[in-house]
Amino acid sequence: NAGVTQTPKFQVLKTGQSMTLQCAQDMNHEYMSWYRQDPGMGLRLIHYSVGAGITDQGEVPNGYNVSRSTTEDFPLRLLSAAPSQTSVYFCASRARGRQETQYFGPGTRLLVL
Amino acid sequence: QKEVEQDPGPLSVPEGAIVSLNCTYSNSAFQYFMWYRQYSRKGPELLMYTYSSGNKEDGRFTAQVDKSSKYISLFIRDSQPSDSATYLCAMSVAGGTSYGKLTFGQGTILTVHP
Repeated sequence: NAGVTQTPKFQVLKTGQSMTLQCAQDMNHEYMSWYRQDPGMGLRLIHYSVGAGITDQGEVPNGYNVSRSTTEDFPLRLLSAAPSQTSVYFCASRARGRQETQYFGPGTRLLVL
Repeated sequence: QKEVEQDPGPLSVPEGAIVSLNCTYSNSAFQYFMWYRQYSRKGPELLMYTYSSGNKEDGRFTAQVDKSSKYISLFIRDSQPSDSATYLCAMSVAGGTSYGKLTFGQGTILTVHP
């Protein structure tokens, strides 16, 4: 099992550009989520999904969009990048009923100039 | 005030030392308490979790939860250079229809030097 995979590893964007961060998991987990990690802030939840076709907002959703058409994939879209979105983004997944055990991907480092 | 507070350190100890990492929290509804370890430029990985109060031991690691004081701890015995990482505490409200959102502390950077 590859676990949770994320692409790209690193990306530089200019203000106003859009992009999609990819996330995939091969553990057949129903629950997936996106977090961002900033210095001194820990990880904060952006969006989450409890199954294909079902998504909801987390703590810091503004400027981001998600969709979940399959169990495996949960892409995160930045609609119009801003310097405040410079961060490290982590995708995570877990099985239903196992909220104590989340599996994180390796992260995408994003720099918005 | 943040829901979960964690001293960011950094913490530097000699090999073999006992390390104590701590978090305080304000939300009394938290029932799951986790510790994640994050190596540099990697994703967090679950180290240990505790449901409700009490202690849990796994090898050199011991997790403690004191719900009356809203305080959790992670102890590392006989620390090794390979333990050098950022340690993140995380908490969530239990089950039901809740997604089980994790609320993280800021993370403590630990360095164990030979």
